[in-house]
Amino acid sequence: DQQVKQNSPSLSVQEGRISILNCDYTNSMFDYFLWYKKYPAEGPTFLISISSIKDKNEDGRFTVFLNKSAKHLSLHIVPSQPGDSAVYFCAAKSNFGNEKLTFGTGTRLTIIP
Amino acid sequence: NAGVTQTPKFRILKIGQSMTLQCAQDMNHNYMYWYRQDPGMGLKLIYYSVGAGITDKGEVPNGYNVSRSTTEDFPLRLELAAPSQTSVYFCASSYSKGTGGFFGPGTRLTVL
Repeated sequence: DQQVKQNSPSLSVQEGRISILNCDYTNSMFDYFLWYKKYPAEGPTFLISISSIKDKNEDGRFTVFLNKSAKHLSLHIVPSQPGDSAVYFCAAKSNFGNEKLTFGTGTRLTIIP
Repeated sequence: NAGVTQTPKFRILKIGQSMTLQCAQDMNHNYMYWYRQDPGMGLKLIYYSVGAGITDKGEVPNGYNVSRSTTEDFPLRLELAAPSQTSVYFCASSYSKGTGGFFGPGTRLTVL
């Protein structure tokens, strides 16, 4: 039962354009969402997060949008740079229960120079 | 700061062997975690700890054990290795609940 879904395994975007990575979730108890970036042979790096009390959070070139009614979040990267090429994971957690983060399967983003 | 370090980077085990994956952090974080990532999948939580002496099971704890005798170290023990434990293992730490945290570089384990 995949509670966090990233339906696009891969995405290619021209350098300088906007990259939009999508994530859907099914568990209505999730109230905190995170995005991670992962390069090959390295551990994930935390990028940005959003609480369910917000619908947008921005940090430099990265913006995360949350649509609770649709159970959907997206990560926007503007402008996209070659160094953004990586696998991006979204993750979700609930304030109830333990510390478990539920991860999606990832989207491989390739920025084309 | 070294951040989160993991040893070894790679290991091949035979079925039934045991080993300990080491994890250490030098950021004085209370929260530490062990995840595994199987090919094409997201990370799954094995065990976590909210402080020295306190550990709890995550989503996939079977076949593993942990201990947390100090704030810095959080070793993961595999007893009786099985092919299903072939995976990449990541250790992570965070300073508070719900924050993004820092991940180590991972240990790639193959059980043959």
